[in-house]
Amino acid sequence: DAGVIQSPRHEVTEMGQEVTLRCKPISGHNSLFWYRQTMMRGLELLIYFNNNVPIDDSGMPEDRFSAKMPNASFSTLKIQPSEPRDSAVYFCASSHLVGLGANVLTFGAGSRLTVL
Amino acid sequence: AQKITQTQPGMFVQEKEAVTLDCTYDTSDQSYGLFWYKQPSSGEMIFLIYQGSYDEQNATEGRYSLNFQKARKSANLVISASQLGDSAMYFCAMREKTRSNSGGSNYKLTFGKGTLLTVNP
Repeated sequence: DAGVIQSPRHEVTEMGQEVTLRCKPISGHNSLFWYRQTMMRGLELLIYFNNNVPIDDSGMPEDRFSAKMPNASFSTLKIQPSEPRDSAVYFCASSHLVGLGANVLTFGAGSRLTVL
Repeated sequence: AQKITQTQPGMFVQEKEAVTLDCTYDTSDQSYGLFWYKQPSSGEMIFLIYQGSYDEQNATEGRYSLNFQKARKSANLVISASQLGDSAMYFCAMREKTRSNSGGSNYKLTFGKGTLLTVNP
């Protein structure tokens, strides 16, 4: 398996622009997580999905952030409009929901976002 | 309130020696899980080891072991025979219950702030 695949790896954009980050989880994993990592706040859970259904979005900072999972193999995290304080590394991770390996997250390589 | 506390922002160890990275946690759940992840300078997050709250034996994975002291709510990571490649950030994480938009119980991982380990030759 190729692991969790995120794109783009790096994104530089200007304030006010829309940003879309993409994630392909490991095939067979039915939980998907979006985390944000900054020096100040560390790793923060933004939202997670079980079986494509959003379960907890309490970590989404504000209405400018939205996430979707239209099918088991694809998820997006969208920021519109983007602001400089959104600059961070955004990680997508996936896991099994039950059984051996449940909740052991496999992370993607991350998407480094810079908003100027 | 912070659920996972890593009190050591940075640690240094000599190559081939053992090192302990501290982690304490706070939860009222009876069933929970504790994890350690490694993040090298390249940025990826690598799963190292897992300990379930009902596991009586401390978890071990090669040179990694987890010193689980339930009464103290601590889950320290011990790395034996340190190697230069062990230099990285190390994160402790806890699986905890979270609210669900549709009701019921679900789980998420909450991470500590991390400890930067430097292995000196």
